[in-house]
Amino acid sequence: ELKVEQNPLFLSMQEGKNYTIYCNYSTTSDRLYWYRQDPGKSLESLFVLLSNGAVKQEGRLMASLDTKARLSTLHITAAVHDLSATYFCAVDKMVKLIFGTGTRLQVFP
Amino acid sequence: DARVTQTPRHKVTEMGQEVTMRCQPILGHNTVFWYRQTMMQGLELLAYFRNRAPLDDSGMPKDRFSAEMPDATLATLKIQPSEPRDSAVYFCASRGPEETQYFGPGTRLLVL
Repeated sequence: ELKVEQNPLFLSMQEGKNYTIYCNYSTTSDRLYWYRQDPGKSLESLFVLLSNGAVKQEGRLMASLDTKARLSTLHITAAVHDLSATYFCAVDKMVKLIFGTGTRLQVFP
Repeated sequence: DARVTQTPRHKVTEMGQEVTMRCQPILGHNTVFWYRQTMMQGLELLAYFRNRAPLDDSGMPKDRFSAEMPDATLATLKIQPSEPRDSAVYFCASRGPEETQYFGPGTRLLVL
């Protein structure tokens, strides 16, 4: 059974600081997704990582994928309050997405 | 601006009643998914369709849940009879030739 683990589960960080969210998964997959969810809202696609070594960046967020280590990271640079949300990674298993537990990020002044 | 739409957005019902949720995928997307989100279980895949054919519904309680796609513009998820433990947010998502799944706004269901 494919398991997807994220850590940390909760992250409180000061504006301007950097931090990394980790996503580990238990079986082979070449595709990994990152989503953002604001409270009471739907999931918004952030990144699609399709191969080993893939790196994508959008604004203050950068995601990477290491399929050999079964690890993806979401790096936050110089956090701002608008980044406060829950971030999910999801592993593609034959089209089906298996989601991690989510990381609830709170950015404070 | 192509989006997945879902109705109703909110539903409050009593235990034992039938609940039907509807989803309109993005035009041209041929794969449609139903997910359920709860605090305890997180996001779980219930079922998915490709070209309107059900491919996997192993995540769905078969005795009370059913999912159909009567045409390319409509997917339905039905619960009969509903139970309090079905209270959750139900998301529909669709996927086209790109790799990304696009999520609808969700149906927030409360079964009393």
